[in-house]
Amino acid sequence: EVQLLESGGGLVQPGESLRLSCAASGFTFSSFAMSWVRQAPGKGLEWVSAISSSGGNSYYADSVKGRFTISRDNSKNTLYLQMSSLRADDTAVYYCAREEGTFRGVRFDSWGQGNLVTVSS
Amino acid sequence: DIQMTQSPSSLSASVGDRVTITCRASQSISSYLVWYQQKPGKAPKLLIYDASNLQSGVPSRFSGSGSGTDFTLTINNLQPEDFATYYCQQSYNVPWTFGQGTKVDIK
Repeated sequence: EVQLLESGGGLVQPGESLRLSCAASGFTFSSFAMSWVRQAPGKGLEWVSAISSSGGNSYYADSVKGRFTISRDNSKNTLYLQMSSLRADDTAVYYCAREEGTFRGVRFDSWGQGNLVTVSS
Repeated sequence: DIQMTQSPSSLSASVGDRVTITCRASQSISSYLVWYQQKPGKAPKLLIYDASNLQSGVPSRFSGSGSGTDFTLTINNLQPEDFATYYCQQSYNVPWTFGQGTKVDIK
């Protein structure tokens, strides 16, 4: 069974940093691209960042480019999201999600349980 | 970026109804359209990909259609467990973008 378990969320002040982790199990982690998707309270889904299966390529939404860094450790089956210069509008539940499909046709077929990040003074 | 617009934003329906949700892309995305279901406090669940392919394990009362810019999610014989919010997502290119969601609640 595919499992994705996020950790590392919490309350931080504006301008601070935080690192999210997503531990994967039940599948060959190194064979799949992965993404982070967030959802602000009461709002819709927003894709944040993606990383290729090898980690050699990464992509970001404009809203986080230059502030967030996605990475992965395939030896530890773990995905990361390093978030810096956090702002109030980064407050959201952050989900890690497994990507299935090719570059065109990507869908998120497995999701973690979500991890709340609150940015507030 | 490709903008995705869903309609309606919400709807009320009864068990047994047929429900149709529409998703429109700001440019042609061929058939690269995905549908998710999300229940309160839970992660989204993949329902349909490539506009009309049913994800394994998803009941056959769910179906999708469309290509280009206009897409539809249909739920036949609505069941109590189908009351949720539904999102479309374009899988044509990065950044992947979602519709704003359609909440289906009980009439």
